[in-house]
Amino acid sequence: GENVEQHPSTLSVQEGDSAVIKCTYSDSASNYFPWYKQELGKRPQLIIDIRSNVGEKKDQRIAVTLNKTAKHFSLHITETQPEDSAVYFCATIYSSASKIIFGSGTRLSIRP
Amino acid sequence: GAVVSQHPSWVICKSGTSVKIECRSLDFQATTMFWYRQFPKQSLMLMATSNEGSKATYEQGVEKDKFLINHASLTLSTLTVTSAHPEDSSFYICSASLGSETQYFGPGTRLLVL
Repeated sequence: GENVEQHPSTLSVQEGDSAVIKCTYSDSASNYFPWYKQELGKRPQLIIDIRSNVGEKKDQRIAVTLNKTAKHFSLHITETQPEDSAVYFCATIYSSASKIIFGSGTRLSIRP
Repeated sequence: GAVVSQHPSWVICKSGTSVKIECRSLDFQATTMFWYRQFPKQSLMLMATSNEGSKATYEQGVEKDKFLINHASLTLSTLTVTSAHPEDSSFYICSASLGSETQYFGPGTRLLVL
């Protein structure tokens, strides 16, 4: 069935260090993998996405990697800053239904 | 571009009443709109997918008679929570799609049922 597993559920890192969040998915037909950042009480914001025809994508301090064989994808944040503190959700589009299925979320805290 | 609005941003109602939430795409025509519910400290759970001019497709476990969705135009979808109860209190978020994978989210509506 449609499932996206995300871990860890909480992550605390020292400011300036890197943070990594991992997700696995079940539908081998999935071909689009967005990552969202959600601050308390606000809408999810797309921060980066990757399509199945590439293995890695980078945008400044944020990068995403995809392993289609293993059905894994990960978010990497380098040189973390206090404003990176938020809840991060991975997601995948199930092409058969064109709907987004979200992971369970990771609460990232950046320690000063 | 690609702005989605929701109204109201928050609502408090008495148990047993109905509440309507509007989702509008302000500067584009959305072929599909989606409704999500998010309980505190949880993920977004898809409730239904709405296409203009056709009946909404509800996810398993979501009661279509309780959560009425109307998608009257390419820029407006409404969600009506009928006979609301305290357990329906949640953060309701809509999103709109141009037809590609990208979805644009509304700011959400916080519902509190007393």
